[in-house]
Amino acid sequence: DAKTTQPTSMDCAEGRAANLPCNHSTISGNEYVYWYRQIHSQGPQYIIHGLKNNETNEMASLIITEDRKSSTLILPHATLRDTAVYYCIVRPFYNQGGKLIFGQGTELSVKP
Amino acid sequence: DVKVTQSSRYLVKRTGEKVFLECVQDMDHENMFWYRQDPGLGLRLIYFSYDVKMKEKGDIPEGYSVSREKKERFSLILESASTNQTSMYLCASSFPSGRDPYNEQFFGPGTRLTVL
Repeated sequence: DAKTTQPTSMDCAEGRAANLPCNHSTISGNEYVYWYRQIHSQGPQYIIHGLKNNETNEMASLIITEDRKSSTLILPHATLRDTAVYYCIVRPFYNQGGKLIFGQGTELSVKP
Repeated sequence: DVKVTQSSRYLVKRTGEKVFLECVQDMDHENMFWYRQDPGLGLRLIYFSYDVKMKEKGDIPEGYSVSREKKERFSLILESASTNQTSMYLCASSFPSGRDPYNEQFFGPGTRLTVL
């Protein structure tokens, strides 16, 4: 079973920041938070991951609360091409075969 | 540019047929995965392989088998297709955790299989 809870859908205006929340209250000490997204008719794509510190890359920022029970993915300047389903996943960094367990995700709609 | 390719984007088969879905990756990845994606159920892992000739059951292996004879190729086999196997099938690959600091899975574009 997925160990995360995300809102089913969200809207965001083009050019504004999109903040996607994720609850993972049962996360354990060796588990990382990963974010993937799936644009319509494509396979999922890795965005970012983190353990306990905030992370930033060219696509997004990841803010993890101090107790690690929740996190927020931030797309700083959303574009129409960011419309996708966003998946928050928790898993150990070293796990057999590198399995990912996907939940339902958040459907983000970026509107003009 | 990294690439995971799948043999077909769309496939239509009849009930009882044997179906082969092929996946090829050009990144020298040890790990390969097969998922299916259904509305309301998300992505679910069918099988994965962490080396040539090695395979492990995922969460929903019933009705499927796999073959990994070469490192770059991972095949999903439906021995006798049924209508409840109509779905989007996604293949993915990755390095083992210790070789990739991002622990990233790369996905193919998917095969939409319809079983009539």
